Amino acid sequence: GQQVMQIPQYQHVQEGEDFTTYCNSSTTLSNIQWYKQRPGGHPVFLIQLVKSGEVKKQKRLTFQFGEAKKNSSLHITATQTTDVGTYFCAGWTSDILTGGGNKLTFGTGTQLKVEL
Amino acid sequence: DGGITQSPKYLFRKEGQNVTLSCEQNLNHDAMYWYRQDPGQGLRLIYYSQIVNDFQKGDIAEGYSVSREKKESFPLTVTSAQKNPTAFYLCASSIPGGSYSNQPQHFGDGTRLSIL
Repeated sequence: GQQVMQIPQYQHVQEGEDFTTYCNSSTTLSNIQWYKQRPGGHPVFLIQLVKSGEVKKQKRLTFQFGEAKKNSSLHITATQTTDVGTYFCAGWTSDILTGGGNKLTFGTGTQLKVEL
Repeated sequence: DGGITQSPKYLFRKEGQNVTLSCEQNLNHDAMYWYRQDPGQGLRLIYYSQIVNDFQKGDIAEGYSVSREKKESFPLTVTSAQKNPTAFYLCASSIPGGSYSNQPQHFGDGTRLSIL
């Protein structure tokens, strides 16, 4: 089945440093979404990328979707303590072969810790 | 306010016992999903439903069962056949895939299930 891997699994940074997490899918994705989960909380939707090579920015966050639509990245500039949490990518695939509907496959996540 | 309500927040299961986790949404979403999250890991799909009275197995359906008799409700039963049920269970909803696969998933606050 489809697999979505993220690296690194963990990242500790000093406040003010940059952070990047990379997402790689075993299959081509129709689109990719990014979520953030704070410690003890639930995932919250951040953004969606649809087009090959697409780049989107949200303040200090920059999201990219690869040309082949099989990889993506999230870059945070000048991290703050409020950025602490686990960042997940998630790709939509269609379960055509099994007769199912569309489903979202989540990546393994990158846990970010920011130290003062 | 529209949202997803999961109950209970904490649940303890005895050996050989079936337990049911509740998930209710008032977002008028057709699609609903159940995920399992183990410590330090990503989200794995248990079951999903694109429409009332229909549901499909996800990647780790063994030992679980669901029903979708009403649009707003998607309860998950953890059966005694699930030998390692201790985990954080998250319910989500969205506009279903296909033409609308670009929609984000909205998550409940989750239920933490433990074995007594």
